[in-house]
Amino acid sequence: EVQLGQSGTEVKKPGATVKLSCKVSGYTFTDSYIHWVRQAPGKGLEWMGLVEPEDGKVTYAQNFEGRFTITADMSTDTAYMELSSLRSDDTAIYFCATIHDSHNYWGQGTLVTVSS
Amino acid sequence: DIQLTQSPSSLSASVGDRVTVTCRAGQSISRYLNWYQQKPGKAPKLVIYTASSLQSGVPSRFSGSGSGTDFTLTINTLQPEDFGTYYCQQSYTARLSFGGGTKVEIK
Repeated sequence: EVQLGQSGTEVKKPGATVKLSCKVSGYTFTDSYIHWVRQAPGKGLEWMGLVEPEDGKVTYAQNFEGRFTITADMSTDTAYMELSSLRSDDTAIYFCATIHDSHNYWGQGTLVTVSS
Repeated sequence: DIQLTQSPSSLSASVGDRVTVTCRAGQSISRYLNWYQQKPGKAPKLVIYTASSLQSGVPSRFSGSGSGTDFTLTINTLQPEDFGTYYCQQSYTARLSFGGGTKVEIK
């Protein structure tokens, strides 16, 4: 069974850094890209970027270049998303997902709350 | 990045109705268009992939059509469990994008 297991809820102050994880099981980690998607409260889905686990190559959406760093660790089949200089408008649920035709699996999401 | 425009943004329909949601891409994306259903507090669930293929386990009342820039999701004989927000998503490029969503409410 394919599973993407994400790390737990985070509460951070403005200006802090947080690192989210997404552990993959049930398929070969290097076979599919891992995407990160953000959903702010009451809003739609926003694609942030992807990592190609085989070589670590990363592509970011234009709105997410700079403060966001996506990585992958083949030794632990885990992808990471680090968010720095957090702002209140970074408050959202962050999903990881593998999306390729019917091979379409999502993590349960990590809620990040940024508040002073 | 490829823009996706969904309409309507919300709709209310009765059980048994036929519901149609449309998604228009800013450029041709062939048939690389997926549809998701999302319920509050949950991850999106794939309903249709590559424009018209029904994901395993999804009821056959869901169907998709279209190619190029114009796509449609149809729910025949709407059921109470079909409430939620539906999103289209293009995978023509690895730089994915999503439509703004259509909230489906049951009257």
